[in-house]
Amino acid sequence: AQSVTQPDIHITVSEGASLELRCNYSYGATPYLFWYVQSPGQGLQLLLKYFSGDTLVQGIKGFEAEFKRSQSSFNLRKPSVHWSDAAEYFCAVGARSNAGNMLTFGGGTRLMVKP
Amino acid sequence: KAGVTQTPRYLIKTRGQQVTLSCSPISGHRSVSWYQQTPGQGLQFLFEYFSETQRNKGNFPGRFSGRQFSNSRSEMNVSTLELGDSALYLCASSPQRGETQYFGPGTRLLVL
Repeated sequence: AQSVTQPDIHITVSEGASLELRCNYSYGATPYLFWYVQSPGQGLQLLLKYFSGDTLVQGIKGFEAEFKRSQSSFNLRKPSVHWSDAAEYFCAVGARSNAGNMLTFGGGTRLMVKP
Repeated sequence: KAGVTQTPRYLIKTRGQQVTLSCSPISGHRSVSWYQQTPGQGLQFLFEYFSETQRNKGNFPGRFSGRQFSNSRSEMNVSTLELGDSALYLCASSPQRGETQYFGPGTRLLVL
């Protein structure tokens, strides 16, 4: 069974500081990997995804993530955080086929940004 | 293109009632999935519909059901509501199965 772990429930960073949110997954083969962001009372917005190819993927809002197969990780990074980045971030794994559309999510990391 | 839309955005029901939530996918998207989000259980997959057929179902009781219409719009129904059904229900669509899912704003259901 697939699973996703986000070890950090809360993270606080200062505006302008760098950010790394951790994500570890368990999946039988090479998965599809996603990062979504959720602002209070809102749905999920796709930040970036990894399907294949270059293991460093770029997303919206200056975010990037690196797929490391040996570590079963897909950590999200941003070099300089803005106050508007405060939100909850979810890592997800999906099936690599047209046999299923189920996403399995981690528990989320809530990011707070100090001025 | 317009995004995924969900109606209504907010609902208040009482225990024992039933509720129907609606989802309109992005134009051209044929797969619709539903998720439940609660503070205790997080984001959990409910079911997926493709070509008007339920393709996958998560670990939820039979009180949770859904359907998809020929225009790919989907509805989910929860019968005999329980307090624990209070949640944010998210709908997501993708062009085909196994492709990137795009989420709607959700319907927040409160069961009293």
